[in-house]
Order: sequence, then structure tokens, then C-alpha cells
Amino acid sequence: NAGVTQTPKFQVLKTGQSMTLQCAQDMNHEYMSWYRQDPGMGLRLIHYSVGAGITDQGEVPNGYNVSRSTTEDFPLRLLSAAPSQTSVYFCASSSPGTAYGYTFGSGTRLTVV
Amino acid sequence: GENVEQHPSTLSVQEGDSAVIKCTYSDSASNYFPWYKQELGKRPQLIIDIRSNVGEKKDQRIAVTLNKTAKHFSLHITETQPEDSAVYFCAATTSGTYKYIFGTGTRLKVLA
Repeated sequence: NAGVTQTPKFQVLKTGQSMTLQCAQDMNHEYMSWYRQDPGMGLRLIHYSVGAGITDQGEVPNGYNVSRSTTEDFPLRLLSAAPSQTSVYFCASSSPGTAYGYTFGSGTRLTVV
Repeated sequence: GENVEQHPSTLSVQEGDSAVIKCTYSDSASNYFPWYKQELGKRPQLIIDIRSNVGEKKDQRIAVTLNKTAKHFSLHITETQPEDSAVYFCAATTSGTYKYIFGTGTRLKVLA
């Protein structure tokens, strides 16, 4: 099992550009989430999903869209990048009943200039 | 909304001493409390967790305690070693949602 795979690992965008951060898991986990990590602010929830076709907003959803057409994939779209979206983004997955909490991907470091 | 407060933000201890990190949650429906360790430049990794029907859980040198009445839970690391140096995050969630809310993290430095 590859676990949770995120691509790309690094990305530089210009203000106003759009892009999609990819996240895929091969553990058949129902639950998937996107977090952003900024210095001194911990991990803040952007969007999450409890299954294919179901998504909901987290703490900081503005400027981001998600969709969950399959169990495996949960892409995060930046609609019009802003410097405030410079951050490290983590995708995570889990399954109800698991004793092991969320499994995180390796992260995407995004810089918006 | 839900909130998790974590203290202290930084903690320095001598090798061999104990370290304690404390978290407070706001949502009384929360019933699952994981702790994550994040080394520099790496992903967060689960190190221990506790459910609301248990007051304490231990795994070798680490333990977690939960006080549901006060909505407090704490991470205890005994006999600290240099490799324990990392950022530690607590989180709280309610089963059925898996909507984790994280604390802001504690940077632990173990001094040799």
C-alpha cells in the first residue's frame, strides 16, 4: 500500500492562477480531509469528506473547492491563488472504526507570489 | 464552533526528564483524542490516542490522560530522549464525523 499520496510536493503560483492539489489513498478509507499548516497556527481544516459524493466545509474553506467522485481521490482546487494561501497543505484519510486515526500524506508546499 | 487550546507552545526539558503537554477542548460531544508527532519537514504521525470511555492510556514512555468533566487531556512523555524533539499536536473529534480540530502545537526540545 502506498498510503496517502499527494502531488505535487512543491508548487509556485502567481497571484490569480488556479491549480489543483491531488490526493489519493489506496486504503479504502471513507474519510478524507485537507489541512493547511502555517507557522504558529497548527493544522487548520479546509474541507473534509465522509464518503464519495459527500463533502463539507472546515474552519478555513474560503478560496478552496473540493469534490469526491471516488473513494480514492479527494482533490483540492485553488480558484484564484492569493499570497495568503502560501502554506503547506496536508491531505489525510481514515476509516470509521479504525483505531489509528488519520493517516497523513507527505504534504504540498505551495508558494503564491 | 469547536476549539482546541494547547499549552505550552514551546517546552524545553533535559534529557531523562518528563514532559507534559496539555489540551482543552470545547465541544462536549468530542469522544476521540489523538496525539500527533511531527518532525521537521515531515508529515504528522499518530503516536497515541484515547477514547472518552477511558481515563488513561499508556504506551511505553508515553501516556495520555483524559478528564471529561474538565474537558482536558494531556500527553505525558517520561525519560525523554533527543529523538523526542519535535512538534506535538493534540486533536479532538466526534465519532461519525472524523472532523478533527487540532491544537496549535507544542515544540518540544530535549536538551542532551
